[in-house]
Amino acid sequence: DAKTTQPNSMESNEEEPVHLPCNHSTISGTDYIHWYRQLPSQGPEYVIHGLTSNVNNRMASLAIAEDRKSSTLILHRATLRDAAVYYCILRDRAEGSARQLTFGSGTQLTVLP
Amino acid sequence: DTGVSQNPRHKITKRGQNVTFRCDPISEHNRLYWYRQTLGQGPEFLTYFQNEAQLEKSRLLSDRFSAERPKGSFSTLEIQRTEQGDSAMYLCASSPRASGLRRFFGPGTRLTVL
Repeated sequence: DAKTTQPNSMESNEEEPVHLPCNHSTISGTDYIHWYRQLPSQGPEYVIHGLTSNVNNRMASLAIAEDRKSSTLILHRATLRDAAVYYCILRDRAEGSARQLTFGSGTQLTVLP
Repeated sequence: DTGVSQNPRHKITKRGQNVTFRCDPISEHNRLYWYRQTLGQGPEFLTYFQNEAQLEKSRLLSDRFSAERPKGSFSTLEIQRTEQGDSAMYLCASSPRASGLRRFFGPGTRLTVL
């Protein structure tokens, strides 16, 4: 799997937007960009994924650079419940679900009240 | 709630003992995965089942580890002769055939080997 680079930690104030960056300069044309998050004492939780176009769902938005070498997960209004480790992962769409996800160390997001 | 469940949630054991963990995936999910997570790191893949067949194993899965999914529903992960280095969170995830890229994770079993 291609490698991703994320900051170790970020802070945000409650009810403000949060932009979590991810660099993936070696991404291939068939790699999907996935984001998972892990709340304290819980298993990882799927957040969003995309290939080329920006994506929105009820949890977050994913902005993908035109060259696809970086992406940004956007939480529009951070709440205290969004404090978690956020993982950016690349998955080749040709592999199907048989391939395991390869997690890095992620970004620890702290939300300040 | 019909999410992935894991039991026990916590296990403390002495070095050299055997331990077994259970994972109940979401009903009708035919794919099941085990991961291990140590403090400060992301989860690492251990093994994968499609129905009852174990299709992939990581080199992290030493010969002291064995996983089964006898009827294609729940799965067990056994660690024999535990070592202190086995202390970690053991996570189970499942996915349906059609989901492709999305995993549904359980809350994990935290193992402490004294």
